[in-house]
Amino acid sequence: EPEVTQTPSHQVTQMGQEVILRCVPISNHLYFYWYRQILGQKVEFLVSFYNNEISEKSEIFDDQFSVERPDGSNFTLKIRSTKLEDSAMYFCASTRTVNEKLFFGSGTQLSVL
Amino acid sequence: EDKVVQSPLSLVVHEGDTVTLNCSYEVTNFRSLLWYKQEKKAPTFLFMLTSSGIEKKSGRLSSILDKKELFSILNITATQTGDSAIYLCAVDDPNFGNEKLTFGTGTRLTIIP
Repeated sequence: EPEVTQTPSHQVTQMGQEVILRCVPISNHLYFYWYRQILGQKVEFLVSFYNNEISEKSEIFDDQFSVERPDGSNFTLKIRSTKLEDSAMYFCASTRTVNEKLFFGSGTQLSVL
Repeated sequence: EDKVVQSPLSLVVHEGDTVTLNCSYEVTNFRSLLWYKQEKKAPTFLFMLTSSGIEKKSGRLSSILDKKELFSILNITATQTGDSAIYLCAVDDPNFGNEKLTFGTGTRLTIIP
């Protein structure tokens, strides 16, 4: 089965630093998403992206966050100035159309020290 | 705000037992309910339910949706140690745009050999 791939699997950073989390969605998918899961808590929606623009974002997705599809294959999440509370597992997901199951990547564990 | 409540939070059973996991939801507008299995990292898709009363089955797993009472159950028969995981329920509300899933906290299932 095709897979969403994410790199790195673990990222450790100092508070205030910028991080970029990378994702390669499934190749014929058109809708892309970022979710996060703080340890012991629910999986939470961050942002959805379609046709090179954000289609929906949550309250968590403030000005410190941005997403980009810099080329035909990568989809990135940037956190400009990380905070301790940004420590979480970040999942990328993609779908071909709406109302389809989300395919999740294996996640990037971000630890902010 | 959409809400998904799963019960029990945690369940420990012996191999061979049958388990039933519950998911109730409140949404403004309903499109689908999804079940995912989360072992180490990425949630992996189990079922997508859109219609009431139609059981979906995959091997020892089955699920059904009741749109009148706003809940779903996930059954696992003849459990095996490989079924140990967190089972996540999520609802898709089209009012929130493309595939913004609202997740429950999950049920942690542990199967004792």
